[in-house]
Amino acid sequence: AQTVTQSQPEMSVQEAETVTLSCTYDTSESDYYLFWYKQPPSRQMILVIRQEAYKQQNATENRFSVNFQKAAKSFSLKISDSQLGDAAMYFCAYRRTGNTPLVFGKGTRLSVIA
Amino acid sequence: NAGVTQTPKFQVLKTGQSMTLQCAQDMNHEYMSWYRQDPGMGLRLIHYSVGAGITDQGEVPNGYNVSRSTTEDFPLRLLSAAPSQTSVYFCASSSRNRDMNTEAFFGQGTRLTVV
Repeated sequence: AQTVTQSQPEMSVQEAETVTLSCTYDTSESDYYLFWYKQPPSRQMILVIRQEAYKQQNATENRFSVNFQKAAKSFSLKISDSQLGDAAMYFCAYRRTGNTPLVFGKGTRLSVIA
Repeated sequence: NAGVTQTPKFQVLKTGQSMTLQCAQDMNHEYMSWYRQDPGMGLRLIHYSVGAGITDQGEVPNGYNVSRSTTEDFPLRLLSAAPSQTSVYFCASSSRNRDMNTEAFFGQGTRLTVV
């Protein structure tokens, strides 16, 4: 079974600085998707960024970017110019292609210090 | 576009009571799933469905029942509530079409407390 590991239960970053959240996963598949979701105190699950395994180029969305290392099965999230609104729980998730649901890591709680 | 609508947002149950959490989506998504979120555990899959009439168990299915009679609806039934089922529940849907977004869209969650 696929597993997703987030080794940092909590992280903190100074406002305007850069922070990287780690995620590793275990799979024998070659075709899959990886996601980072943000969960603010409102509880809503918000997609931050998505990466397709067959694409070598790292995904970017404004201040958010990933470092996708397929061979190492690593998928870290970099947040640049951190803002107070970035404070949230962040979940890394994996999905195999086909009829499969998401598998989540346990999450990293990010605090942003003013 | 409403997306995924999940009700209720909050619920308190007594041990042994039964209830149904409702989930509806208007995006014609094939996939729907239910997760529970507990502190330090992330989101764990309870049940999922790949289409109307088809359901399957996830990681933590015990004590829960689902059915998928239509594409739009995927209710989660708690048969006899237990304190261990105190959690936040999320419904999610996604398309299996690779050319469309493969992300999962989530409902707003239900905070369930069993006393």
